Amino acid sequence: AQKITQTQPGMFVQEKEAVTLDCTYDTSDQSYGLFWYKQPSSGEMIFLIYQGSYDEQNATEGRYSLNFQKARKSANLVISASQLGDSAMYFCAMREGPTDSWGKLQFGAGTQVVVTP
Amino acid sequence: DAGVTQSPTHLIKTRGQQVTLRCSPKSGHDTVSWYQQALGQGPQFIFQYYEEEERQRGNFPDRFSGHQFPNYSSELNVNALLLGDSALYLCASSLDSYRTYEAFFGQGTRLTVV
Repeated sequence: AQKITQTQPGMFVQEKEAVTLDCTYDTSDQSYGLFWYKQPSSGEMIFLIYQGSYDEQNATEGRYSLNFQKARKSANLVISASQLGDSAMYFCAMREGPTDSWGKLQFGAGTQVVVTP
Repeated sequence: DAGVTQSPTHLIKTRGQQVTLRCSPKSGHDTVSWYQQALGQGPQFIFQYYEEEERQRGNFPDRFSGHQFPNYSSELNVNALLLGDSALYLCASSLDSYRTYEAFFGQGTRLTVV
């Protein structure tokens, strides 16, 4: 069964606008971590933001924030003030279990974001 | 401080051949994970190495094997290549300690099997 679901295959957003990328997850573990990565056309996966299942505050990193709704099992990424350099593929990922420092990452199918002038 | 480096960046192999991909982790990192990313899909976990042992393995056949060296660098070997093995192979390194959750990825090796 799919553990991470990203329902938006692609999105267009205008420069300086905010964009929300959806991510829902499926786990029966109480301890897990949620990640967002950016993958430009060069291929490298760039870490953006992390949310632990026990973290009470929503994670923020600069222009990135994670809207964590535990009961709904959603972990949406919000990018504020979009820039042309934000055009890339964005992946939501989850690491299950108490192994919060290691263990496999399970990725969604990704959302392609194109920022237009 | 060098990040995760992978070699080669691109590779073309013939069906049935064998291939070895290499990964040097970020300085100070002791754990290396390998992922396969087919075109248009998210990465799929192959396996993870820690202290020169395979610690966790995804749903990949035995044709996929690996190794970790004392300096923490790692190799991914794929035998009897199939056309379906064509993908971007990503290496990620991390540090096995409490609350160091971040995994750093390399730029990947793009393997084409013809």
